[in-house]
Amino acid sequence: GQNIDQPTEMTATEGAIVQINCTYQTSGFNGLFWYQQHAGEAPTFLSYNVLDGLEEKGRFSSFLSRSKGYSYLLLKELQMKDSASYLCAASNSGTYKYIFGTGTRLKVLA
Amino acid sequence: GAVVSQHPSRVICKSGTSVKIECRSLDFQATTMFWYRQFPKQSLMLMATSNEGSKATYEQGVEKDKFLINHASLTLSTLTVTSAHPEDSSFYICSYRAYQETQYFGPGTRLLVL
Repeated sequence: GQNIDQPTEMTATEGAIVQINCTYQTSGFNGLFWYQQHAGEAPTFLSYNVLDGLEEKGRFSSFLSRSKGYSYLLLKELQMKDSASYLCAASNSGTYKYIFGTGTRLKVLA
Repeated sequence: GAVVSQHPSRVICKSGTSVKIECRSLDFQATTMFWYRQFPKQSLMLMATSNEGSKATYEQGVEKDKFLINHASLTLSTLTVTSAHPEDSSFYICSYRAYQETQYFGPGTRLLVL
């Protein structure tokens, strides 16, 4: 079957670091995406991993282990504006479809 | 990243009417795009894959006669919700597949059926 799991909610403090985990089981896996979605808005692209390892982009980093079916999104120096839902999505080769996780609602507290 | 627009951003209609939602890729030509639906506090659920010049492919459980998709050009796709009912009220989002299989999403259309 195909499945993506991520925590439903997380809370962190402004200035801290938070790691959002995602595990997946899909057929024809061809990459792992992370998106940020503020309430009532469309998702915006954050990162893409297709090979094992860490991809860093400013305050955001994403890691992938294909053998373990595991990824995480790391957010550093948290800001209040980072309060949002973070969606993990696995891409299927051939169809290019995404399978989305339920999303992790992150609350950043002052 | 690619820029995608959707129109309208918000629509309220009476039960039984049809609503058309447009999705445009403003700076990218894409042969494949996707329509999603999102209910409150839930993740995105893929409804259909739209290929330019051919019929859309619908996900299991999505009625193709109710959700009509037309991908007339490389930059325009439309979703028509026919005979809308209150249970069709949702947030509808389109996306275009761009580089490295990345999907870029439109701003979404909030549909409320009374």
